[in-house]
Amino acid sequence: DVKVTQSSRYLVKRTGEKVFLECVQDMDHENMFWYRQDPGLGLRLIYFSYDVKMKEKGDIPEGYSVSREKKERFSLILESASTNQTSMYLCASSFNGASTEAFFGQGTRLTVV
Amino acid sequence: AQSVSQHNHHVILSEAASLELGCNYSYGGTVNLFWYVQYPGQHLQLLLKYFSGDPLVKGIKGFEAEFIKSKFSFNLRKPSVQWSDTAEYFCAAYRDDKIIFGKGTRLHILP
Repeated sequence: DVKVTQSSRYLVKRTGEKVFLECVQDMDHENMFWYRQDPGLGLRLIYFSYDVKMKEKGDIPEGYSVSREKKERFSLILESASTNQTSMYLCASSFNGASTEAFFGQGTRLTVV
Repeated sequence: AQSVSQHNHHVILSEAASLELGCNYSYGGTVNLFWYVQYPGQHLQLLLKYFSGDPLVKGIKGFEAEFIKSKFSFNLRKPSVQWSDTAEYFCAAYRDDKIIFGKGTRLHILP
């Protein structure tokens, strides 16, 4: 079974803190994605990566950065957390190419206070 | 901008009713389409996908979707829903290494 594991299910952080969300996949997938999920807005793509050390901006990259030093790990970084970044964050991975599905982690619910 | 649109944000049906959830995309050319489902408290999982060939695709749990290129649509259907189909459903498109999702449709089935 494909497994995409996010390091935390729930996080509470203070405004201004630097926050790291970690994601690990065990299927040797080339592509990895970070989305945020908000009620009524669906999933919005923050960043994605199609190879180690490669990254591409998604639709809402502002306030975020990412790191992909190893193929299996994709980290999302909030340099200075703000209350409007309170959300559910979903990591996903897939093989390259359109013919494959994305597999999702359980999500991290981040609350910034 | 390229996008995926879902027409219904919240749908309430009784058990055994038929279901159709609308999805339209704005990409030209080749596009690959998906429907994902998120049951309460669970992670997103794939219901079905379309890449080429027969425009009517069948997925898990009795769901199907029809790709109509002329209408840029990929609507999800199920002839008879069950209470266990209560979930949020997302249409998605793969293009340029990205998977773009619609805003989702919350489906609530009354027992």
